[in-house]
Amino acid sequence: AQTVTQSQPEMSVQEAETVTLSCTYDTSENNYYLFWYKQPPSRQMILVIRQEAYKQQNATENRFSVNFQKAAKSFSLKISDSQLGDTAMYFCACPPGAGSYQLTFGKGTKLSVIP
Amino acid sequence: DTAVSQTPKYLVTQMGNDKSIKCEQNLGHDTMYWYKQDSKKFLKIMFSYNNKELIINETVPNRFSPKSPDKAHLNLHINSLELGDSAVYFCASSQGGDGNEQFFGPGTRLTVL
Repeated sequence: AQTVTQSQPEMSVQEAETVTLSCTYDTSENNYYLFWYKQPPSRQMILVIRQEAYKQQNATENRFSVNFQKAAKSFSLKISDSQLGDTAMYFCACPPGAGSYQLTFGKGTKLSVIP
Repeated sequence: DTAVSQTPKYLVTQMGNDKSIKCEQNLGHDTMYWYKQDSKKFLKIMFSYNNKELIINETVPNRFSPKSPDKAHLNLHINSLELGDSAVYFCASSQGGDGNEQFFGPGTRLTVL
């Protein structure tokens, strides 16, 4: 069964600093996708970044980037120049199998950005 | 302009009642989902429909019944509500699966008293 593990239930970071959120997953697939979603206090789920496993290059979206280590099945999210609006729950997710329509989510990391 | 909308956003009801949550997407997607987020923020898939066909039906009590009248709508009906049903229910949609972004609705917070 597909599992997604986020080992940091809570983290905090000073405004303008950099923080890295960890995620490991378990899959027997070779080609798959990985996602980071953000859920601010408004509870709206928002896609932050997506990584395709067959691409060696790490995905980047403005201040957000990933460190994807396929062999280690690790998919961490780096937030640079943290802003107060980054305060949210962050969920790592991936489909449980090839061609799957659903996402398996990790338990989330609650990130607080401190002014 | 709302991509995925849900009604109502808040629902407070008594144990034993029957209630429905409606979801609509205007993105032209062919796949829709229901997720449940518990009090610890854990998100779990409940159902998924692709072109109005049920493709995912996780271990969910029979009291929960999804219905998709067309590709743009996926409703969730819950019979005989129990205290443990209290949660936030999210509707989502995507174009196909396997790597395509899922767009989420704002969620419906259900409180069963």
